[in-house]
Amino acid sequence: KAGVTQTPRYLIKTRGQQVTLSCSPISGHRSVSWYQQTPGQGLQFLFEYFSETQRNKGNFPGRFSGRQFSNSRSEMNVSTLELGDSALYLCASSLGTESVSGNQPQHFGDGTRLSIL
Amino acid sequence: SQKIEQNSEALNIQEGKTATLTCNYTNYSPAYLQWYRQDPGRGPVFLLLIRENEKEKRKERLKVTFDTTLKQSLFHITASQPADSATYLCALDNYGQNFVFGPGTRLSVLP
Repeated sequence: KAGVTQTPRYLIKTRGQQVTLSCSPISGHRSVSWYQQTPGQGLQFLFEYFSETQRNKGNFPGRFSGRQFSNSRSEMNVSTLELGDSALYLCASSLGTESVSGNQPQHFGDGTRLSIL
Repeated sequence: SQKIEQNSEALNIQEGKTATLTCNYTNYSPAYLQWYRQDPGRGPVFLLLIRENEKEKRKERLKVTFDTTLKQSLFHITASQPADSATYLCALDNYGQNFVFGPGTRLSVLP
């Protein structure tokens, strides 16, 4: 079974630009979560999608948005990029259930390394 | 305020010894706690999950304990090997809303 695939692996942008990152979950997984990882803040939750609906959102500004398609693939978008947005962005998928549950392992991709110049 | 702490940023142990990593939390009441391994440049990999009503869980050389009174989880790797060198992250469910990750402990197993 193929794992979680994130594209692109590396991205360089300049301040003020916008970026779209893509995530293909494991086949059959309906929940997709996005995280930002930086050396100073660690792994921080951005948002979670289930059946094309955003179910939960972390404490990030509105410049960070996402969506999920009917095939469970997900994209996240960051607009008006700032230097502080440089990070590793990780996507994780899980089977997902109608009610949010913490008892399911999350399967992570290897991330997109975003660098802002 | 809510907080998750892992005992130390880095831990060095000798090959063959048991590594013990600690995860402490404040102002959370997780029903589940998970442990992940992360290698440089890679995403975290799920290792073990333990429920609040379980005291201990084992998988091969790995053992996790969960003490909801102490608000602490211990993660043990027995007979450690250099291949066990990685960063280990604990994660707890935040009232079923999302997962909150600890800062991680970088384990180095020296031959």
